[in-house]
This record gives sequence, C-alpha cells and structure tokens, in this order.
Amino acid sequence: AQTVTQSQPEMSVQEAETVTLSCTYDTSESDYYLFWYKQPPSRQMILVIRQEAYKQQNATENRFSVNFQKAAKSFSLKISDSQLGDAAMYFCASGYSTLTFGKGTMLLVSP
Amino acid sequence: NAGVTQTPKFRVLKTGQSMTLLCAQDMNHEYMYWYRQDPGMGLRLIHYSVGEGTTAKGEVPDGYNVSRLKKQNFLLGLESAAPSQTSVYFCASSQTRSNEQFFGPGTRLTVL
Repeated sequence: AQTVTQSQPEMSVQEAETVTLSCTYDTSESDYYLFWYKQPPSRQMILVIRQEAYKQQNATENRFSVNFQKAAKSFSLKISDSQLGDAAMYFCASGYSTLTFGKGTMLLVSP
Repeated sequence: NAGVTQTPKFRVLKTGQSMTLLCAQDMNHEYMYWYRQDPGMGLRLIHYSVGEGTTAKGEVPDGYNVSRLKKQNFLLGLESAAPSQTSVYFCASSQTRSNEQFFGPGTRLTVL
C-alpha cells in the first residue's frame, strides 16, 4: 500500500515571503505521478502542480515549484511571493492507477 | 462546460436509511473516482471506475456500492447509512490514470 506523509499540520507565512511545504511518500510502483492540490475554504479541490516521477526536472507553475528527490521519496512544494489567496489546505498525492493523499497542511498567510 | 457536478450538495440521513449520490462529468473522461474526506484524514478513495460498466474497490469500500452504467455518470450508494459515514464526499474524473483529476464541489452528508 502506498503512503503519503505531510509532517506539517499547519504552516504560516507572511505576504511576499516564501514557504515550503513538505511531503514524503512510499510506493512500490516503478512508474507514478505526484500532485499538489489546494483546497480553499470553498472546499473545491484545485490542482497546483503535477510531477512525473520519471522526469528529473522539477515542475514549475508560476510562483509554485517543487523539489522532487526521487531517491529520498520527497516531494516538497515551494510557494514564492506568497499572497493572501494562497491561504488554504494543501494536499500532496502520489500514485499511478489511483492516488493516495496525505492528510494535508493548512497554510496561513498574514499581511 | 460544467466540469464535474455532484447531487445533492447537502443531505441529512437517519441511521439505516439509504441514499444515492450522483456524480456527472461532461469532459468525456474515462476514469471516475469517489473519495471521502474526514477531518485530519485527507481524502480516502472509496471506489473508482476505469470506464463505462467497470468498478473497482478503493481503500475504504465497506458500506458503499457504486455503478457506472453511463460513461458520464458515477453513482455512489449507501444501502444502510451509519454515523461513521458522516463525511464530505468528493467525486473526481480524469482522462487517463496519470492525468490531473478534476473534482466536483463535494457533498456534505450527515448521518444521525
């Protein structure tokens, strides 16, 4: 069975600063994908970024980037120039046929 | 495009009652999923489908049944609701198993 661990239940950052959310995973699959999803108070799940495990290059989407360390099974999310709208619960997920989600990290953003 | 829609958005049941949650997607996606989200637990997969007429068990399938008679619809049934099934239920769909999953808005179910 796959496991995904997000060791930070809550993180705080000030506007315009940078924050990194941690995620580690364990899988026996040779091919898999990794995702970060954002869930604001509206409850809607929104894709932030996707990484293919066979690609060494770290994925980037505007202010969001990942640090993918395959050997360490680590997949952290870096948010640069944080904005108030980034405040949300962030979920890390991994899998191939199906996804396993972590328990989430609540990100608080202060002015 | 409406994307992924879920019906109903809220529901309160008494223990032992039955109900069906409907998920519909208009993106012609092959894969569809049902998750439950409980406080502090993240999302856990209940059942999923890899195409019309197929279903498979996820991590927490007990107490639930599903059907995918039409490609665009994925139904989640509770035959005899229990308080432990109080949760927020999310449906999702994806074109392939490796692509982004698109989520519905969720259904908040309370079982008294």
